[in-house]
Amino acid sequence: DIVMTQTSLSLSVTPGQSASISCKSSQSLLHTDGKIHLYWYLQKPGQSPQLLIYQLSNRFSGVPDRFSGSGSETDFTLKISRVEAEDVGTYYCMQSMQLPLTFGGGTKVEIK
Amino acid sequence: QVQLVQSGAEVKKPGSSVKVSCKASGDTFTDYAFSWVRQAPGQGLEWMGGIIPFFGTSRHAQKFQGRVSFTMDESTSTVYMELTSLTSEDTAVYYCALRDGYNFRLDYWGQGTLVTVSS
Repeated sequence: DIVMTQTSLSLSVTPGQSASISCKSSQSLLHTDGKIHLYWYLQKPGQSPQLLIYQLSNRFSGVPDRFSGSGSETDFTLKISRVEAEDVGTYYCMQSMQLPLTFGGGTKVEIK
Repeated sequence: QVQLVQSGAEVKKPGSSVKVSCKASGDTFTDYAFSWVRQAPGQGLEWMGGIIPFFGTSRHAQKFQGRVSFTMDESTSTVYMELTSLTSEDTAVYYCALRDGYNFRLDYWGQGTLVTVSS
């Protein structure tokens, strides 16, 4: 199985500042279709996870442009510029390069 | 807009089974790939497996080999996840999720179903 690692367990951010969350995979997520199969999810407190970013850098429908994804075949970053109070929750990276789908352990973002 | 509505919370005895349903609305049922993901209390997300109605095929994570099955009822646009031989370690919120396409991805999520295993 592909192991996804998020080294930061938590992050405390001042509203209006930016935040970066990192994730690494144990294998390349570059598919033969030329896309990197890396996804970012946000799980707000008491809610189901919601998709933010798909295939490394594409914002899902309705996701504010404050969220952006970048990275290489094995190292990935989610950036939140101008953090707002509604951005609190746990962020997970996930790979769909191969089954089983696997998730990072999550990074909890809180507001100072 | 795609919506997923799951069945209600369950309390089960160790050794028993649970069957959770997930009803989809929105686009054509057979255009979707459904997954099941669980989250133990205070823990992260774990993909269990899923089913692709168009092909009638399912896949599961090795961890659940022999204990999990995924079925569907196209007439009601509903998918089911059944987990057998329950232990306390199966206490979790179970989510269904889907993507509009024929490979597993988690674009839209249900509200979750809490399954508690307790004697």
